[in-house]
Amino acid sequence: EAQVTQNPRYLITVTGKKLTVTCSQNMNHEYMSWYRQDPGLGLRQIYYSMNVEVTDKGDVPEGYKVSRKEKRNFPLILESPSPNQTSLYFCASSSGRATYNEQFFGPGTRLTVL
Amino acid sequence: AQKITQTQPGMFVQEKEAVTLDCTYDTSDPSYGLFWYKQPSSGEMIFLIYQGSYDQQNATEGRYSLNFQKARKSANLVISASQLGDSAMYFCAMAPSGSARQLTFGSGTQLTVLP
Repeated sequence: EAQVTQNPRYLITVTGKKLTVTCSQNMNHEYMSWYRQDPGLGLRQIYYSMNVEVTDKGDVPEGYKVSRKEKRNFPLILESPSPNQTSLYFCASSSGRATYNEQFFGPGTRLTVL
Repeated sequence: AQKITQTQPGMFVQEKEAVTLDCTYDTSDPSYGLFWYKQPSSGEMIFLIYQGSYDQQNATEGRYSLNFQKARKSANLVISASQLGDSAMYFCAMAPSGSARQLTFGSGTQLTVLP
């Protein structure tokens, strides 16, 4: 089954404790992205990757890191989480360069930073 | 820069009636794509429909249609014959041509279908 998986699905942590949210897709997609969703703001892109070892900032990259060492994986790293990073996070993937390439979203990771 | 505006934070519709969710956009890109996603209370993002800026006809997918008015920069979603399962948050989004990597989302509309 074609899918994007994220782990963990739920995470409660404390300020400053480094964490990683994993994302993996089995569709051989070139493009992968991370978004955060906050009430009243919709989804905002954090980082995206066009292929292995190619990443770029989205609209809200501060406080986050990413890496793309393998095509299927695109982990999101919070080196020193803060309460304002409490949010619902989505990983997404898509293929090719044409506009009409549906982004497949993972199930989401709900992060709470105390 | 791109911007998506959804001016209806919440809407109610009676079951079996049609409903229109508004979306306006702003972009300087000559070519772009417009998307609608559904997010039920379970949280997942479900792709509904896509419209390309150069498509001559409005997109349709089953009970969903996209009323695309390029000159007015609007891309409203029309759901015909609403069902209880249509109750969800709906997001309009756009991407510049050749950049499926980057979607810009609106703030969403919470639709509630009443029995």
